[in-house]
Amino acid sequence: DTAVSQTPKYLVTQMGNDKSIKCEQNLGHDTMYWYKQDSKKFLKIMFSYNNKELIINETVPNRFSPKSPDKAHLNLHINSLELGDSAVYFCASSQLGSGANVLTFGAGSRLTVL
Amino acid sequence: LAKTTQPISMDSYEGQEVNITCSHNNIATNDYITWYQQFPSQGPRFIIQGYKTKVTNEVASLFIPADRKSSTLSLPRVSLSDTAVYYCLVGDGAAGNKLTFGGGTRVLVKP
Repeated sequence: DTAVSQTPKYLVTQMGNDKSIKCEQNLGHDTMYWYKQDSKKFLKIMFSYNNKELIINETVPNRFSPKSPDKAHLNLHINSLELGDSAVYFCASSQLGSGANVLTFGAGSRLTVL
Repeated sequence: LAKTTQPISMDSYEGQEVNITCSHNNIATNDYITWYQQFPSQGPRFIIQGYKTKVTNEVASLFIPADRKSSTLSLPRVSLSDTAVYYCLVGDGAAGNKLTFGGGTRVLVKP
């Protein structure tokens, strides 16, 4: 069974559109993250939620809005997509404590904005 | 937040041992050191975590000197399937810990 699952895996869309990526984890973790990996392969943290509460909000455009309906789900909605948003978006989860550096990642969602 | 520095790339051959050193001069007292592996088109995967001295699991060993300002990931007897990018992270695991991945080390294992 997949521990951290993201949908969709691939997303191709036009500039200006709005799109969402969904993430679910079945590990019972209390913290979830969104990371962005650009073409240079740098992984940058965007958001983190702990028990549905936003605890990390990096310098991300307001067009990006995460939502955590419960601690097992963290969705990412992106408004008015721009070319620069093209990247692979990874969802991850962890359990705070000594294992908090141990993140379990999803397979990624590759977003291409045309 | 402790910043990490790793070599950009390393080449090796099947059956050899690969050692990747990560510098983290500003590591804090409560920080742990964690290594991840990422294959193309996949998310990073946890390999090993340590605080000091040596940690070994079925995949790798992690050597951490007494000053903890660096760490070395050791992959014994690599195979072609170990070709990947390896990331070193440091953090204390607290809420709000912005686990920041550096550029990683691209390891290419050749036949």
